[in-house]
Amino acid sequence: DGGITQSPKYLFRKEGQNVTLSCEQNLNHDAMYWYRQDPGQGLRLIYYSQIVNDFQKGDIAEGYSVSREKKESFPLTVTSAQKNPTAFYLCASRKRRGLSGNTIYFGEGSWLTVV
Amino acid sequence: EDQVTQSPEALRLQEGESSSLNCSYTVSGLRGLFWYRQDPGKGPEFLFTLYSAGEEKEKERLKATLTKKESFLHITAPKPEDSATYLCAVQAMGSAGGTSYGKLTFGQGTILTVHP
Repeated sequence: DGGITQSPKYLFRKEGQNVTLSCEQNLNHDAMYWYRQDPGQGLRLIYYSQIVNDFQKGDIAEGYSVSREKKESFPLTVTSAQKNPTAFYLCASRKRRGLSGNTIYFGEGSWLTVV
Repeated sequence: EDQVTQSPEALRLQEGESSSLNCSYTVSGLRGLFWYRQDPGKGPEFLFTLYSAGEEKEKERLKATLTKKESFLHITAPKPEDSATYLCAVQAMGSAGGTSYGKLTFGQGTILTVHP
């Protein structure tokens, strides 16, 4: 089945450590996104990418980095510079063209906890 | 700056008790308004996209409507399995000559609980 796969589902990070969240999609979507969800704050955009080898900062990019070497993959690295990384991270994708090109679809999310 | 406000924050209903959720928005040119359903610990599940004032869409017990300033998600005769957080988001038109990157601005969501 086509979809967006995020891994791991649960991740624990020690202080000063970088961690990488994986996001893979087999929907043949062009654009991919990373959102962060905190209780009571809704979803906030971290980074987005419209095409391979290109990405832009969203509203809360500080302390995060991404890469887009393949159309299917958009990994997110949470660096030690991110002061409050504990959150639910959501990867999403969009086709960009056609009748459903505006709709953004989400993966199942990854929980990151600082220990 | 685009803004989305959802109300109420939480809504408790008895099974079969119809009600509506509200999503008020301000956006510099609306490309689309989206409704998602989110279960605890899961990613948001797409429900509807509305593009212009007066548009309505239905899916089972849910009906979404759109005006120039707000959207309503009407729930008719809800069942316990409709319990979830319902998220509203707006997508703005891209800048002139550019390509909209499809950014969604979300509200905080409405937590719906339907008791049997």
